[in-house]
Amino acid sequence: EIQLVESGGGLIQAGGSLRLSCAASGFTVSNNYMNWVRQAPGKGLEWVSVMYTGGSTFYADSVKGRFTISRDNSKNTLYLQMNSLRAEDTAVYYCARASTLGSGFDYWGQGTVVTVSS
Amino acid sequence: DIQMTQSPSSLSASVGDRVTITCRASQSISTFLSWYQQKPGKAPKLLIYAASNLQSGVPSGFSGSGSGTDFTLTISSLQPEDFASYYCQQTYSTPLTFGGGTKVEIK
Repeated sequence: EIQLVESGGGLIQAGGSLRLSCAASGFTVSNNYMNWVRQAPGKGLEWVSVMYTGGSTFYADSVKGRFTISRDNSKNTLYLQMNSLRAEDTAVYYCARASTLGSGFDYWGQGTVVTVSS
Repeated sequence: DIQMTQSPSSLSASVGDRVTITCRASQSISTFLSWYQQKPGKAPKLLIYAASNLQSGVPSGFSGSGSGTDFTLTISSLQPEDFASYYCQQTYSTPLTFGGGTKVEIK
């Protein structure tokens, strides 16, 4: 069974850092296009970042230079390092899988809540 | 960046109604368009990929159409479990933008 389980969220002061984790089971993270998507309270979905199978990474302008996506193949886990956090980064953060380039996100985690206090 | 404009932002409908949600891209995205359903407190669920392909396990009452810049999600006969928010997303190029969402409420 395919599962994605996020962890690492919490309450953090503005300017601080957090690292989110997304542990995958039932498939290999490095063979898929792995994404982070966030949703601010009462708002819509916002794509944050993707890591391609080959290791290329891309970011939304809103987080570029502050967030870093990475993976640990030995742990089959995706990460999101978030630095210089701002109040507007407050959201539920989801990891999501796309099995091929350009395909929809077919599996999602349950989400982890990040709250940035100003 | 490609902007995705969804309409309407909300609608009220009754069980059994046919519902149509539209999504327009600011430039051509071929058929790199997905639709998601999200219920409160839950992760989104993929309904349609590549504009018109039904994801495995999704009821056949959902369908998608379109290409280029204009896309449609149709629910042929609204069921009680279909009351939720719906989002389109382009997967043509990064940033992989979502539409603003459509909330389908009970009339």
